Amino acid sequence: SQTIHQWPATLVQPVGSPLSLECTVEGTSNPNLYWYRQAAGRGLQLLFYSVGIGQISSEVPQNLSASRPQDRQFILSSKKLLLSDSGFYLCAWSIDTNQPQHFGDGTRLSIL
Amino acid sequence: DAKTTQPNSMESNEEEPVHLPCNHSTISGTDYIHWYRQLPSQGPEYVIHGLTSNVNNRMASLAIAEDRKSSTLILHRATLRDAAVYYCILREGNYGGSQGNLIFGKGTKLSVKP
Repeated sequence: SQTIHQWPATLVQPVGSPLSLECTVEGTSNPNLYWYRQAAGRGLQLLFYSVGIGQISSEVPQNLSASRPQDRQFILSSKKLLLSDSGFYLCAWSIDTNQPQHFGDGTRLSIL
Repeated sequence: DAKTTQPNSMESNEEEPVHLPCNHSTISGTDYIHWYRQLPSQGPEYVIHGLTSNVNNRMASLAIAEDRKSSTLILHRATLRDAAVYYCILREGNYGGSQGNLIFGKGTKLSVKP
């Protein structure tokens, strides 16, 4: 069966520090991969999606970037975190664009 | 993208059926209706989806109006573990430029009373 792993579960970082969140999927190949952010009390916002290695599409302009160095690995990064980057970050995968998305347990990021 | 309208919150009693409504009056012919739910401090979980016909699975049933401008998610017997935010989402089914991405609204917060 397929599984998705995100780490870390929680992270506290100072303003201006770098960020790297990792997401890996097991049990499937060539999945679509997604990064979402959920700010406190708000809905999920799609940040990036990828349909293959090295293929990244950004949905909103922001301080973050994403990379897909391997088929089942999706990384969310920032060179310098802002206070507004705080939130709950979720990674998801799907077999293709018409199939349901399956989410990881998320990373709760707090910026001090 | 076509939008959906859901009540902000609903309450239910344990072991009673729950009907969660969703309006999507601007739905296009190729939009699928998806439902996800999110328990506190967890990622969203897929519940069910459909296009025109009613759908049933082990978690819930989806009733779709004949004109497709509204739908209802039905939980046949609510349990305390069903307390969550339920999202009704329209998803492009024709490989549009957004790659069929999910657009989450605010959803309906369902409370279940014992």
